[in-house]
Amino acid sequence: AQSVTQLDSQVPVFEEAPVELRCNYSSSVSVYLFWYVQYPNQGLQLLLKYLSGSTLVESINGFEAEFNKSQTSFHLRKPSVHISDTAEYFCAVTDSGTYKYIFGTGTRLKVLA
Amino acid sequence: NAGVTQTPKFQVLKTGQSMTLQCAQDMNHNSMYWYRQDPGMGLRLIYYSASEGTTDKGEVPNGYNVSRLNKREFSLRLESAAPSQTSVYFCASQRGIETEAFFGQGTRLTVV
Repeated sequence: AQSVTQLDSQVPVFEEAPVELRCNYSSSVSVYLFWYVQYPNQGLQLLLKYLSGSTLVESINGFEAEFNKSQTSFHLRKPSVHISDTAEYFCAVTDSGTYKYIFGTGTRLKVLA
Repeated sequence: NAGVTQTPKFQVLKTGQSMTLQCAQDMNHNSMYWYRQDPGMGLRLIYYSASEGTTDKGEVPNGYNVSRLNKREFSLRLESAAPSQTSVYFCASQRGIETEAFFGQGTRLTVV
């Protein structure tokens, strides 16, 4: 069965420092991987996704994630964070077998001035 | 273009009451989902509908029922509300499994 693990529930980091939010998945078939961001009292918005091809995917606001099949990971990184990046980030997985769309428990990123 | 619309936005129920959460999308998406979001638990899948005419259980289906009324609408029903169902509920839709899911703004439900 599909599952997604986000080990870090909260990540505090100073402004302009780099950050990595970890995501590991479990699935027995080919998967599609996503990162979403949720700002307070809002719904979720897509940050980036991995479908196939290049294992490194980027978003328009400086985030990137690398798909690592051998480690079943899809970690999210940003080289320099801003105060406005403070939000909750969710990793998600779908697969062609079940059509389920499963989310991790989320990582709350807090950027400190 | 409204995207995914959920109603109501807020609701307070007494234990044992029933209610239906409504969700509609205007993007001609095939798949629709219902999630609940609780602190520290992330989004947990309640039910989903991969295509019009089909529904399947997700991770936490107990105490809920769903109806895929047509391609646009996917409702979630609580037959006998319990305090453990206090949560924020999100509806989402998706064209295909490799595409982005679009979320409604959520329904904040409190069961007292």
